[in-house]
Amino acid sequence: DQQVKQNSPSLSVQEGRISILNCDYTNSMFDYFLWYKKYPAEGPTFLISISSIKDKNEDGRFTVFLNKSAKHLSLHIVPSQPGDSAVYFCAASAAGGTSYGKLTFGQGTILTVHP
Amino acid sequence: DTAVSQTPKYLVTQMGNDKSIKCEQNLGHDTMYWYKQDSKKFLKIMFSYNNKELIINETVPNRFSPKSPDKAHLNLHINSLELGDSAVYFCASSQDPQGPSEKLFFGSGTQLSVL
Repeated sequence: DQQVKQNSPSLSVQEGRISILNCDYTNSMFDYFLWYKKYPAEGPTFLISISSIKDKNEDGRFTVFLNKSAKHLSLHIVPSQPGDSAVYFCAASAAGGTSYGKLTFGQGTILTVHP
Repeated sequence: DTAVSQTPKYLVTQMGNDKSIKCEQNLGHDTMYWYKQDSKKFLKIMFSYNNKELIINETVPNRFSPKSPDKAHLNLHINSLELGDSAVYFCASSQDPQGPSEKLFFGSGTQLSVL
């Protein structure tokens, strides 16, 4: 039973346009959400996060939106650049002080940004 | 000066063998983890250690034994390897697993292939 799902295995976008990556979760105890980016032959690297007390967090070209009622979050990248081509993982935790770094990951979405 | 380094990067071995994967972090973090990326690409936590003490053991077979000689190192020993153990294993570390940010820093992974 996968508690975090990324239903789009891949996404292809033109350079300069917006990339929207989606993530759904089922566990209502999750209260902290993260996006990681992964290049081939490298480990995931942290990109951006959001606490459940917010509905939006922005960092440069990256914005994460959280819709708690729908148990849905999305990552917007604008404008998209070829260097953004990577696998993007959504992750969640029930941070309330007891998760001890246990993140539940989605299966990732491969983003390809074409020049 | 890699932050989280794990060796080897690739490991090919026969069923029934015993093998180890080493991990070291130079970030001064107190907590280290092993995550497994299975064939469906989900990253799942196996173990976490805080200051050399086991915190999380996610129902991993006891053929897998983590060892933390100090808080900068977390090694993974696997006995009697099985075909199903083939996966990518990621080591990670974090500063404060109970804090509001569950930001993990990952190593580049060890691709284990059991033949």
